[in-house]
Amino acid sequence: NAGVTQTPKFQVLKTGQSMTLQCAQDMNHNSMYWYRQDPGMGLRLIYYSASEGTTDKGEVPNGYNVSRLNKREFSLRLESAAPSQTSVYFCASSDANGDTQYFGPGTRLTVL
Amino acid sequence: GQSLEQPSEVTAVEGAIVQINCTYQTSGFYGLSWYQQHDGGAPTFLSYNALDGLEETGRFSSFLSRSDSYGYLLLQELQMKDSASYFCAVRPRGWGKLQFGAGTQVVVTP
Repeated sequence: NAGVTQTPKFQVLKTGQSMTLQCAQDMNHNSMYWYRQDPGMGLRLIYYSASEGTTDKGEVPNGYNVSRLNKREFSLRLESAAPSQTSVYFCASSDANGDTQYFGPGTRLTVL
Repeated sequence: GQSLEQPSEVTAVEGAIVQINCTYQTSGFYGLSWYQQHDGGAPTFLSYNALDGLEETGRFSSFLSRSDSYGYLLLQELQMKDSASYFCAVRPRGWGKLQFGAGTQVVVTP
């Protein structure tokens, strides 16, 4: 089992460019999450999906969109990147209650 | 609202015991979780306390007291590989998604 995988591992964008971060899990989990992590701060939830076909906003959704493509895949899109979106992005999945989450290796994004 | 407070950094020598406290303000939550994250790595689940009391998993133990709005992670027989950041997290009732503290960096010295 690969667990949770994310692509790409690193990305540099210019302000205004768009990109999609990909995430997939093979643990048959219903719930999936996108977090961002900034220095000195914990993980902040951007969006989550409780099941295939549903998505909902987290604490910091502005500037992002998501798609739950199927049970395995949950993508995060930046339509017009801004320097404030420079961060490390983690995807995670969990069973129904969400207390035990499994994280992907992260995407390190720099927006110039 | 919900906020969790943890010390920013703790330093200890190999073989020592470290306690990382997590205090919170909440109107109710399901349980207290702890995650470990090594530099450049992903967070990994360590422990979960649904009820008050102590949970032990090998060298690591976690404690919760809802009446005191307080929990802690205890790391025993510290090893160099325990150098990492440790995050507490709660899942508030009504919100239902994990909220993380800012993390405690544990530095283990020889």
